[in-house]
Amino acid sequence: QVRLQESGPGLVKPAETLSLTCSISGVSLGPYYWTWIRQPAGKGLEWIGRIYISGSTNYNPSLKSRVTMSLDMSRKQFSLRLSSVTAADTAVYYCVGLPRSAVVDVWGQGTAVTVSS
Amino acid sequence: QSVLTQPPSVSAAPGQKVTISCSGSSSNIGKNYVCWYQQFPGTVPKLLIYENQKRPSGIPDRFSGSKSGTSATLDVTGLQTGDEADYFCATWDSSWSAWLFGGGTKLTVL
Repeated sequence: QVRLQESGPGLVKPAETLSLTCSISGVSLGPYYWTWIRQPAGKGLEWIGRIYISGSTNYNPSLKSRVTMSLDMSRKQFSLRLSSVTAADTAVYYCVGLPRSAVVDVWGQGTAVTVSS
Repeated sequence: QSVLTQPPSVSAAPGQKVTISCSGSSSNIGKNYVCWYQQFPGTVPKLLIYENQKRPSGIPDRFSGSKSGTSATLDVTGLQTGDEADYFCATWDSSWSAWLFGGGTKLTVL
């Protein structure tokens, strides 16, 4: 059974760094781009970036200066770090496997992150 | 404002057909596959269509997708009240090397 599970603090202070981890089970890493997507309450979906097993990354140009992603293949986890957060970074954050050679995608349940002092 | 443009809302009566459009450019829709997601409030987006027109297992054939040039469409026929949701198009942009989402369309079944 495929399962993606996000973990990390639900509350982050302004100007600090948001850190999330996604634990992957039930699926191989190779067929997917491991991706973070977020959604502010009542708004649309925003792609943050992706990482592949080769270590290559692509980031949303509007967030690139603040985003770092990493992948630990031995632990089957990938992570997101978003620095210098503001209230505009408050959202539900999803970890997602977007297909590279797979047919369909796989999503975590999402984790709500609030930026507030 | 999204690079992929969708109408904010569409509506139709039960049993009718609705079309949701997604307009992009030569570097995204014009060059890459489009997929469509359905999202109910408070739930995870669900893949409806991939590679422009293919349906994952379990998606009814009332949902169909197509692409022409730099635009894509999602058709929903035989509308049901349970189809009321937000729908998002998505594709890769080869110039930005970024995955793009449309702004989303709220479907109302009158």
